[in-house]
Amino acid sequence: DTGVSQDPRHKITKRGQNVTFRCDPISEHNRLYWYRQTLGQGPEFLTYFQNEAQLEKSRLLSDRFSAERPKGSFSTLEIQRTEQGDSAMYLCASSSDPGLENSPLHFGNGTRLTVT
Amino acid sequence: DAKTTQPPSMDCAEGRAANLPCNHSTISGNEYVYWYRQIHSQGPQYIIHGLKNNETNEMASLIITEDRKSSTLILPHATLRDTAVYYCIVRAWGFGNEKLTFGTGTRLTIIP
Repeated sequence: DTGVSQDPRHKITKRGQNVTFRCDPISEHNRLYWYRQTLGQGPEFLTYFQNEAQLEKSRLLSDRFSAERPKGSFSTLEIQRTEQGDSAMYLCASSSDPGLENSPLHFGNGTRLTVT
Repeated sequence: DAKTTQPPSMDCAEGRAANLPCNHSTISGNEYVYWYRQIHSQGPQYIIHGLKNNETNEMASLIITEDRKSSTLILPHATLRDTAVYYCIVRAWGFGNEKLTFGTGTRLTIIP
């Protein structure tokens, strides 16, 4: 099964450190999404890419956050100078070009970040 | 602002049909109804989606009212593995509007 893969699954870091997460989408999918989820809440949209172009960014994506998808395949999400409020599950999803298919998003199992 | 309203929690006996309601009274003509579920510590799992016709797949059935202001997700024979949070989402279709906006969902507990 070549679903969406995220690495690492868990990350513990100290406040002020930088962290980077990786997402490998389903291979034929050209859209890639990042979400954040805190305890008891639904996932919140952060940003999405079509191929290598970042098409939309949420206001939640402060200037300490940066996402890239340099070759239109895998993506990275970096958080600089982490804060305790950044502790959350970071989810990645991918979908094929919607066109007429109205294709659903397929999610990975996330990276759980704990900032101490 | 929330586009869907779901009960916060529901119980269902194992082996029975689980019927999860969702209100989306402000849905627009180009918005689809999507259902996802999330089992603890996993990412959301796609279940089904529809525009105005009822839909069925191997996981569930989706019944959308004729005025499209509400829908029901039906899990025909619930098992303990169906215990999860279920999200009903309306998703616009058009350039730049394809993201999913999640609410807080319904926590479904299947009781043995």
